[in-house]
Amino acid sequence: DIQMTQSPASLSASPEEIVTITCQASQDIGNWLAWYQQKPGKSPQLLIYSATSLADGIPSRFSGSRSGTQYSLKISRLQVEDTGIYYCLQRYSNPWTFGGGTKLELK
Amino acid sequence: QVQLKESGPGLVQPSQTLSLTCTVSGFSLTSNSVHWVRQPPGKGLEWVGAIWSGGSTDYNSALKSRLSISRDTSKSQVFLKMNSLQTEDTAIYFCAGGYYFDYWGQGVMVTVSS
Repeated sequence: DIQMTQSPASLSASPEEIVTITCQASQDIGNWLAWYQQKPGKSPQLLIYSATSLADGIPSRFSGSRSGTQYSLKISRLQVEDTGIYYCLQRYSNPWTFGGGTKLELK
Repeated sequence: QVQLKESGPGLVQPSQTLSLTCTVSGFSLTSNSVHWVRQPPGKGLEWVGAIWSGGSTDYNSALKSRLSISRDTSKSQVFLKMNSLQTEDTAIYFCAGGYYFDYWGQGVMVTVSS
């Protein structure tokens, strides 16, 4: 199985700051990566797909990038509503696997 | 708009079979895939399996021996059946539609307990 190592496990940042979350794939997955945000008691929401493409209705302050087998989600100009848990997902091979999650809190 | 909604029993006894239904609207099962994802309380997400637009299925290899996913396109419903349930199967079960899980249901909490 492909392992997705996500870091950090948690972070705290202030509004308007820039934060970056990363996922390291255990092998090449190409651009078959997505990012999701999950708020407490809610279903996950797709933010980024194909590593760098912004999902419909998602603010442009969210962006995704790739360097080899490392994938990053950057949130620019952090807003209060960005609080939640963020997950990456690889859908390159079965079983599709999620990262362990990053809990983002605002100061 | 696209909607997915899970339904099923909230409590299942150990060793019994779980049956869940995902009812979709605004979304064609013959043009889109539907996936099941689960989340144990306070933990992360686990992909369970999928049924593709053509009707073929893929299952998480760790669950494959206990799992079956099917659909009824006339009713816009997708079904999950998992047998030999254990306490570690206690989780919120989500159905999600689209190539990259673009759309999600609200989830249904399933507790495995006697």
